[in-house]
Amino acid sequence: DTEVTQTPKHLVMGMTNKKSLKCEQHMGHRAMYWYKQKAKKPPELMFVYSYEKLSINESVPSRFSPECPNSSLLNLHLHALQPEDSALYLCASSQGQGATGELFFGEGSRLTVL
Amino acid sequence: SQKIEQNSEALNIQEGKTATLTCNYTNYSPAYLQWYRQDPGRGPVFLLLIRENEKEKRKERLKVTFDTTLKQSLFHITASQPADSATYLCALDEAGFQKLVFGTGTRLLVSP
Repeated sequence: DTEVTQTPKHLVMGMTNKKSLKCEQHMGHRAMYWYKQKAKKPPELMFVYSYEKLSINESVPSRFSPECPNSSLLNLHLHALQPEDSALYLCASSQGQGATGELFFGEGSRLTVL
Repeated sequence: SQKIEQNSEALNIQEGKTATLTCNYTNYSPAYLQWYRQDPGRGPVFLLLIRENEKEKRKERLKVTFDTTLKQSLFHITASQPADSATYLCALDEAGFQKLVFGTGTRLLVSP
C-alpha cells in the first residue's frame, strides 16, 4: 500500500468547471511533486515543492495551479481545462534535496475533461 | 536534445528466465539513476537506485548496472515470474534530486 494518498481516484469535469486534486503524505517528506501521465507514456514532471515553496514549474499552463498548504498536503487546482488535459495525475514525495532521491508515488487521480 | 530511451517493444520471456531491460540516455550527466515498476492504472513503485560511481547494485532477484561511459543502464530480473509482468521505467536526476526525468518505459510480459 502506498503511503501517499490521492483523492479523488477518478474525476470527470467539463471545460468550464473548477475542481481540485488532493495529495497527502505523513512520512515527514519535505519535497512533493505533481506529475502528469498520458496513456503509454512516461510520467512528466509538472511542479516541485520543497519545504512548502514552489521550486520547479515546468512551464505548465496557468489553468493548473498548485498549492502546498503545509508539509503534508499538496493540491492541484484545475480551471478551464481542455480535453487534451485528460490524463493520470500522480503525486509523489521524497525526503527532500540531499536525500536518496527515491520518490514515493500515490495511486494517481484519473482525470477526464469533456 | 536530451533523451532517455528504453526498449519500445514489449519484452516477452518465459518464467524462470532472466529479463534484461535497457536504458540509454543522451545529453544528461546524472549523478543517480533509478528504476521503477508501474502496474496498469497505478503509480510507479521505486525498485533500485544506483550512483554514478557504482558499477552494479543488487536487491534480491534484481540487478542494475550503470555505465556512464556508454551512458547506459541495464536492469536484470533473474528467475522471472509472471508476477514480474509490468512496465519498468528508468529515471535519472536533472539539476539535482528534485527533478527526476523518466524514460519511455519497457513493458515486460513473463509467461508461465
